[in-house]
Amino acid sequence: QSALTQPRSVSGSPGQSVTISCTGTSNDVNGYNYVSWYQQHPGKAPKFLIYDVTKRPSGVPDRFSGSKSGNTASLTISGLQSEDEADYYCCSYAGSYTFVFGGGTKLTVL
Amino acid sequence: QVQLQQWGAGLLNPSETLSLTCAVSGGSFSGYYWTWIRQPPGKGLEWIGEINHTGDTNFNPSLKSRVTISIDMSKKQFSLKLTSVTAADTAVYYCARSFARYNFAYWGQGTLVTVSS
Repeated sequence: QSALTQPRSVSGSPGQSVTISCTGTSNDVNGYNYVSWYQQHPGKAPKFLIYDVTKRPSGVPDRFSGSKSGNTASLTISGLQSEDEADYYCCSYAGSYTFVFGGGTKLTVL
Repeated sequence: QVQLQQWGAGLLNPSETLSLTCAVSGGSFSGYYWTWIRQPPGKGLEWIGEINHTGDTNFNPSLKSRVTISIDMSKKQFSLKLTSVTAADTAVYYCARSFARYNFAYWGQGTLVTVSS
């Protein structure tokens, strides 16, 4: 069970859009529609952003959206704001009632 | 408003047993999966395992031999024990609850556990 692969860092200017990728295998990302995304600010607990690949929990702005194609899931943040600067983690169900996280991506808002 | 409050020893010697408890307030205790996740300093998240209200458990294969997760329905608490800890187990440990299934919607505040002699 290997960690999902995310870019270590991405950046964008306020108002722009950025996309964070999350690459797995047929045993996790491509095998199930149970990819979730989390935002983590320094020293804080992660915050639930996206579930079941594309769904947003109540209270999460529609600037955050999720998608998946094959082995790769993606989180897109549109209309970047300074408060979006944080670490982002993907997670996938990996079968046999187990889960695997990505290594995390640091988003810098320029 | 679902809230998770966790506690436990923050400093352990190698070979000791890590023990953490998470108390739940707000929302139902039944019908969800209750999870432990950890994050070594400066690193990513790692799923440890989960338990539901009937006591069914699932574990990360890499930790399974050392992990016990239990639940106390009467107190609305669940607990983590990790035996034979080493420095590699130094991490912030989080408890969490699913939203329906297959995700982690609500999180505790985190507990830093340091393993050092």
